[in-house]
Amino acid sequence: AQTVTQSQPEMSVQEAETVTLSCTYDTSENNYYLFWYKQPPSRQMILVIRQEAYKQQNATENRFSVNFQKAAKSFSLKISDSQLGDTAMYFCAFMKPSLLTNKLIFGTGTLLAVQP
Amino acid sequence: GAVVSQHPSWVICKSGTSVKIECRSLDFQATTMFWYRQFPKQSLMLMATSNEGSKATYEQGVEKDKFLINHASLTLSTLTVTSAHPEDSSFYICSAIAGGSEQFFGPGTRLTVL
Repeated sequence: AQTVTQSQPEMSVQEAETVTLSCTYDTSENNYYLFWYKQPPSRQMILVIRQEAYKQQNATENRFSVNFQKAAKSFSLKISDSQLGDTAMYFCAFMKPSLLTNKLIFGTGTLLAVQP
Repeated sequence: GAVVSQHPSWVICKSGTSVKIECRSLDFQATTMFWYRQFPKQSLMLMATSNEGSKATYEQGVEKDKFLINHASLTLSTLTVTSAHPEDSSFYICSAIAGGSEQFFGPGTRLTVL
């Protein structure tokens, strides 16, 4: 069974600085997707970034980028130029593509606080 | 695009009553919908997966008779919490897939059982 581990329950960063959130996972699959979701105080889940395992190039979305190390089964999220609106819970998630279902397996989350 | 709505956003009910939560995909047809439960400061726990026109697949440990899921159309899934008790109080989130890899999440429903 796949598992996702986020070892940092809480993190804090100063506005405009860079922060990296860690995520490791365990799977025997070769084809899968990895995601980072953001859940702000409104509790609406927002997709931050997605990585396909077959792609060697790390995904980037504006200030958000990942460091995907497939052999090490590591998938960290880097947030550059942190903004107050980045304050949220961040969840790392794994998905094995399937014809019947595309279930997400979530990590326990990291609560990020951006300080002014 | 890809908007998922939930109704109601917050419901309070008495112990022993049943509550229905609706999840709708507003601008796409959802081949698969998911229901999650989230306790305060915790992660999302998948309760069940439903495909339109077929029975839901429940995760281990989730009571099928307590949490009834109906996916009657490609845009609507409902979760009914039957004979609710205070321990069922939680935040319930649905999501939907349109055939790709991305799940689109609803805003969630806060259930409080008195």
